[in-house]
Amino acid sequence: DAGVIQSPRHEVTEMGQEVTLRCKPISGHNSLFWYRQTMMRGLELLIYFNNNVPIDDSGMPEDRFSAKMPNASFSTLKIQPSEPRDSAVYFCASSFGQGGYAQYFGPGTRLTVT
Amino acid sequence: GESVGLHLPTLSVQEGDNSIINCAYSNSASDYFIWYKQESGKGPQFIIDIRSNMDKRQGQRVTVLLNKTVKHLSLQIAATQPGDSAVYFCAENMMGYIPTFGRGTSLIVHP
Repeated sequence: DAGVIQSPRHEVTEMGQEVTLRCKPISGHNSLFWYRQTMMRGLELLIYFNNNVPIDDSGMPEDRFSAKMPNASFSTLKIQPSEPRDSAVYFCASSFGQGGYAQYFGPGTRLTVT
Repeated sequence: GESVGLHLPTLSVQEGDNSIINCAYSNSASDYFIWYKQESGKGPQFIIDIRSNMDKRQGQRVTVLLNKTVKHLSLQIAATQPGDSAVYFCAENMMGYIPTFGRGTSLIVHP
């Protein structure tokens, strides 16, 4: 298995632009997580899907952030409009079940908003 | 004002020494624990896990110890190598709930 796949690996955009991050989870995993990592705040959970349904989005910073999972093999995290404080590394992770199983992380997308 | 980053605990060891990284968890109901390794520029990588019905589990050069009485988890790395330099996270979990990650420990291995 190729593991969790994320694209793009790096994104540089200007403030106000829309940013879309993409994730393909490991085949057979039914839970998907989006995280944000910064030096200031460490690893933060943004949203969690189980069987393609958003279960907990309490970590989503504000309405500028949205996430979708249209099918078991694809998810997107969108920021619109982007702001400099959104600059971070965004990780997608997947796991076999809802708790009680290890998460497997993608390589991350490094987002820079200027 | 000056921004302050997340200051991680740091463990510095010499190549060839054994390393012990500690983690205190918060939820006495947690029944599954995982250690992750995050190298610079990469995502966290699963190393080893342990369930609450065990107090020790061994992998290749790594051993995880679980003390449920004091809610403490440790990761032991034998014969530490420069490639082991990374940030190590512990995570606690239980069925039906989202894993909770610790803040991480930075391991620096000096050749």
